[in-house]
Amino acid sequence: DIQLTQSPSTLSASVGDRVTITCRASQRIGDWLAWYQQKPGKAPKLLIYGASTLESGVPSRFSGSGSGTEFTLTISTLQPEDFATYYCQQYNTFSPWTFGQGTKVDLK
Amino acid sequence: QVHLQESGPGLVKPSETLSLTCSVSGGSLSSGIYYWSWIRQSPGKGLEWIGYVYYRGSTDYSPSLKSRVTISLDMSKNQFSLKLNSVTAADTAIYYCASSRMAIPFDFWGQGILVTVSS
Repeated sequence: DIQLTQSPSTLSASVGDRVTITCRASQRIGDWLAWYQQKPGKAPKLLIYGASTLESGVPSRFSGSGSGTEFTLTISTLQPEDFATYYCQQYNTFSPWTFGQGTKVDLK
Repeated sequence: QVHLQESGPGLVKPSETLSLTCSVSGGSLSSGIYYWSWIRQSPGKGLEWIGYVYYRGSTDYSPSLKSRVTISLDMSKNQFSLKLNSVTAADTAIYYCASSRMAIPFDFWGQGILVTVSS
């Protein structure tokens, strides 16, 4: 299976900060990488797929980049509703789909 | 807009079979557009994809669960189901059903259902 390692595990930030989360894959996965946001008691919400394509309805302050084995999720200006846990997920056709362990963004 | 809703028992005894159903509205299981998946989330293992079923009944499962899992469709009810046999406490988790499309991963999710394995 392809392992995904997110860093950091926890990120403390303030409203207005620029936030970057990294996801590293154990094998090359092209751009078959998605990012999700999860709030307590809720299902994950798709933010980005294809490494950089913004899902419909997701604010433009969210962006994704990378390909191969290293990917980033950036929140350009952190808003109060963005405090949550973020997961990356690979959906490479030839491997079981797997998730990263998550990055919790909390208030500094 | 696809809407998914999980249902089933919240408590299952060890060694028995966990059975859950996902009811789908706003999208047809027979359309051939979507793959219908089960995903679970436990404190110890995070998010784990269990497997999917496609409209022709073809399936793919996580290798770690493949020997115990069956995912199937009920076109007449627009539902798909999960069966996980020989459960242990390690199978205690929130179980989600979700849809995905070619090149677009899990874009619609159910609200999730907590299943506890305990005697």
